[in-house]
Amino acid sequence: AQKVTQAQTEISVVEKEDVTLDCVYETRDTTYYLFWYKQPPSGELVFLIRRNSFDEQNEISGRYSWNFQKSTSSFNFTITASQVVDSAVYFCALNPNSGNTPLVFGKGTRLSVIA
Amino acid sequence: DTEVTQTPKHLVMGMTNKKSLKCEQHMGHRAMYWYKQKAKKPPELMFVYSYEKLSINESVPSRFSPECPNSSLLNLHLHALQPEDSALYLCASSPRTAGLDNEQFFGPGTRLTVL
Repeated sequence: AQKVTQAQTEISVVEKEDVTLDCVYETRDTTYYLFWYKQPPSGELVFLIRRNSFDEQNEISGRYSWNFQKSTSSFNFTITASQVVDSAVYFCALNPNSGNTPLVFGKGTRLSVIA
Repeated sequence: DTEVTQTPKHLVMGMTNKKSLKCEQHMGHRAMYWYKQKAKKPPELMFVYSYEKLSINESVPSRFSPECPNSSLLNLHLHALQPEDSALYLCASSPRTAGLDNEQFFGPGTRLTVL
């Protein structure tokens, strides 16, 4: 079964705080891709990052960083020094190597950054 | 051009109306997708077109009829919808057919209200 779990439904932080969004996935495939998307109130899903199952290197892009750990099937996303513009719903997604569904989405985490 | 465009942005229709949603991309992508997203839920896949042929239909009711006139265009024809069909309809495209190594680029969505 392919599944993505984002246990945090909603998170509120004060501006400039760091925040980590959790993502745990399940798949029997050895080859797969993981994604993070941001959905601001405007509605568009914005692609943030893709990580393949063979690359466990952590990645940093500005204030964003991602921690991929195959041992715990987790792909967590950290925003450093959060800003009000980071307020959005964040989706973690899995692209398995089998089955007909291209992307399996988690239920999303709604992040509110308060000024 | 690295974007997916969707028209209209908002649509209100009665249950007896016939309307169409349009999606366009000029990135040379060969896979295009329709998703439906209800409030506070992740996107749900409806249809996938691969090389202009319907490759996935996720048991969507026949009142939704997709069409892919060419590799850049994707339409969703709507007829005899129900109020519960009110949602955000997202179009996406990806470089390759459904599978690995293809981040999906999403359009801004059409917010549909069925009265």
